[in-house]
Amino acid sequence: DAKTTQPTSMDCAEGRAANLPCNHSTISGNEYVYWYRQIHSQGPQYIIHGLKNNETNEMASLIITEDRKSSTLILPHATLRDTAVYYCIVSDTYSGTYKYIFGTGTRLKVLA
Amino acid sequence: GAGVSQSPRYKVTKRGQDVALRCDPISGHVSLYWYRQALGQGPEFLTYFNYEAQQDKSGLPNDRFSAERPEGSISTLTIQRTEQRDSAMYRCASSLGQGPIYFGEGSWLTVV
Repeated sequence: DAKTTQPTSMDCAEGRAANLPCNHSTISGNEYVYWYRQIHSQGPQYIIHGLKNNETNEMASLIITEDRKSSTLILPHATLRDTAVYYCIVSDTYSGTYKYIFGTGTRLKVLA
Repeated sequence: GAGVSQSPRYKVTKRGQDVALRCDPISGHVSLYWYRQALGQGPEFLTYFNYEAQQDKSGLPNDRFSAERPEGSISTLTIQRTEQRDSAMYRCASSLGQGPIYFGEGSWLTVV
């Protein structure tokens, strides 16, 4: 079973920030938080990952709470092309365990 | 290659036939994963390799499913005596052994 909980769906206005939450209350100390997205039937696309510090790249920002039990993916200026299913995953791929268990994700619809 | 390459992209087979799905990972990637994805669902873990060693096959549904990666590069997922319930998208992903995994575009399998 997936170790994360995400809302089933969200809407966001084009040009606004999209904030996608994820709960991972049973995360262990070595597990990273990863975010992927899947547009239509394409393969899941890696977005960002982090351990405990906030992270930012050209696609998004990742905010992880201090207790690491939840996180938020932020798309700062959502576009129509960001409409996709977003998956939050916890995994410990740096110390030899590897399983990425996907849940059902959050279906984000960006509205014009 | 530049990305994970899977073939065939589309396969229609008759019930009872065997099928082989091929995955060519990103050059230099030592870890290789197989997932299955049904419509509207997240990817479901099947099996995982580090180099040529199959580290975990706990997600393979039954003994009709097998996978190999004999030289630590290209992998083949084989489904024997296919059944209609095997119809799905089969996705391969690869990684450097740590950090994110990167997916291919998948192989659509339809069993008629």
